[in-house]
Amino acid sequence: DADVTQTPRNRITKTGKRIMLECSQTKGHDRMYWYRQDPGLGLRLIYYSFDVKDINKGEISDGYSVSRQAQAKFSLSLESAIPNQTALYFCATSDSSRLAGGSTDTQYFGPGTRLTVL
Amino acid sequence: LAKTTQPISMDSYEGQEVNITCSHNNIATNDYITWYQQFPSQGPRFIIQGYKTKVTNEVASLFIPADRKSSTLSLPRVSLSDTAVYYCLVGDNWNAGNMLTFGGGTRLMVKP
Repeated sequence: DADVTQTPRNRITKTGKRIMLECSQTKGHDRMYWYRQDPGLGLRLIYYSFDVKDINKGEISDGYSVSRQAQAKFSLSLESAIPNQTALYFCATSDSSRLAGGSTDTQYFGPGTRLTVL
Repeated sequence: LAKTTQPISMDSYEGQEVNITCSHNNIATNDYITWYQQFPSQGPRFIIQGYKTKVTNEVASLFIPADRKSSTLSLPRVSLSDTAVYYCLVGDNWNAGNMLTFGGGTRLMVKP
């Protein structure tokens, strides 16, 4: 989805380096997410943010940190990259909406960043 | 958090109808059922969402029985371009801090 952009698209780095992945969105959504995907596996949630002042850990937050600089920007940092963080990283956004009978969360994903840690 | 179970993979041929069933035995009253499609090296893309009975859009249909313990994604007359991984998610109330999870999905292979 062109409304959600990720930079860089590909990155090769070495063990111990600090890496920042950036996500920007023009959809005007309040919620943003970071996922990682390993080959042949589903997506796992790293961090999510419901607004600029709200940051929450996902299921695999160890070794990662995030910053929500503005409603439209959500960055993921690897403070000291290690080889098992080699993966495809996706940013997603959603609009907090409520439908009759409950609430739901339709997410819109960016194109992904392929990160390789040597 | 409602857990989902779906087949790991399915094969089909062009022009056939494909039905992918997802089990979610502990679905909660307020949960919605959402399906996403993911092509290789791309992010998942929303396909369809429903709460009960049947929902249809230009891409697919979603059938949900009365007990809502399962759901079936139906893709009419698939083509080679429908080859992808399909994820079934059952939505908790995000405002309560519960997290949606993408499981392994169903890898659909459409053959000529």
